Amino acid sequence: NAGVMQNPRHLVRRRGQEARLRCSPVKGHSHVYWYRQLPEEGLKFMVYLQKENIIDESGMPKERFSAEFPKEGPSILRIQQVVRGDSAAYFCASSPPSRMTGELFFGEGSRLTVL
Amino acid sequence: QKEVEQNSGPLSVPEGAIASLNCTYSDRGSQSFFWYRQYSGKSPELIMSIYSNGDKEDGRFTAQLNKASQYVSLLIRDSQPSDSATYLCAGYTGGGNKLTFGTGTQLKVEL
Repeated sequence: NAGVMQNPRHLVRRRGQEARLRCSPVKGHSHVYWYRQLPEEGLKFMVYLQKENIIDESGMPKERFSAEFPKEGPSILRIQQVVRGDSAAYFCASSPPSRMTGELFFGEGSRLTVL
Repeated sequence: QKEVEQNSGPLSVPEGAIASLNCTYSDRGSQSFFWYRQYSGKSPELIMSIYSNGDKEDGRFTAQLNKASQYVSLLIRDSQPSDSATYLCAGYTGGGNKLTFGTGTQLKVEL
């Protein structure tokens, strides 16, 4: 019974390149969340998606960042023209269709390093 | 003011002692709260949830919620070295779409 799968686990990019992070939720889960974690700063909410819909993107930077959760395939967090400040661990989490249970199942994270 | 606040620690307790972790929140509309544990380099995992005022016990863990004081706590009895981790407090804020986390409290249980 696979949990949340994220890839790549580690990604190195040079400034100005694009980073694409993928997340496959737990089978049967229709809600996906992306969080960013910096040392000493905890988990920062970025975006909440359901299949083919962005429900809440209040934590996403207005520029360079985008997220999708298509009908088929994994959720993608895309960062264009990366800068050093984008270096962080990006966690994806999923939850079942019943909302606000507070039980999010987290993936192991994708650690982005921008040189 | 942060929506969910925690003391970053580290909090050091001897093995076998009670560890007390605290959290305050600013959104009076928040109804339910959650404690996640995160080992270094790993992903967070849910260990406790609490939805109403008072205490909720699960094994060595007790969660406490005081909505009047906007205060949440987690007690860990008979602390073990394996409890050494960062503990994240979380609650639904801003109308309920997002689970907001505090910065976490690092707990160290010493032999």
